[in-house]
Amino acid sequence: TQLLEQSPQFLSIQEGENLTVYCNSSSVFSSLQWYRQEPGEGPVLLVTVVTGGEVKKLKRLTFQFGDARKDSSLHITAAQPGDTGLYLCAGGTSYGKLTFGQGTILTVHP
Amino acid sequence: DAGVIQSPRHEVTEMGQEVTLRCKPISGHDYLFWYRQTMMRGLELLIYFNNNVPIDDSGMPEDRFSAKMPNASFSTLKIQPSEPRDSAVYFCASSLGDRLYEQYFGPGTRLTVT
Repeated sequence: TQLLEQSPQFLSIQEGENLTVYCNSSSVFSSLQWYRQEPGEGPVLLVTVVTGGEVKKLKRLTFQFGDARKDSSLHITAAQPGDTGLYLCAGGTSYGKLTFGQGTILTVHP
Repeated sequence: DAGVIQSPRHEVTEMGQEVTLRCKPISGHDYLFWYRQTMMRGLELLIYFNNNVPIDDSGMPEDRFSAKMPNASFSTLKIQPSEPRDSAVYFCASSLGDRLYEQYFGPGTRLTVT
């Protein structure tokens, strides 16, 4: 069974602070996705990374895929209250399957 | 374009009753996935279809759960009989074959079994 461990589980910060969420596994993934989920809604895809060492930026969000394709990180610069939500990483495993991490609940206080 | 549509959004039922959840994927998507989300277990894949054919149902918890996809625009997940431990949020997602892992989720159905 391929597992993805996210850390931290909970993150409570003030507006304007920076933060990093980690997603780690002992398994290699063909791709890794980051999703954001708000209460009462389904997860929304933020980014896909497929190449080891790849870095993608989405405004204040920076995503990195580890060189060995076993881990990833999400860095948010100058967090805003609108960034509040559940952040999920998901690894593409055997054909068609995504394995999700347990998620990181981020709260950004004004 | 409409996203993935799920109905009902909320379902409350008594133990032993049959429950049917419905999903309409994004038009043109050839993969459809059913997930279950709970606080304890997170988001788990139950079953997925490719071109209306079930490919992997290894995540279906037990025989009480069944899923069908009679055509490209409709799928159902049925629980019969339902039990309190089935209480969860059930999501349907769809994707295109060339971007298989980029899945688009519906708003979910919150199921409560009393």
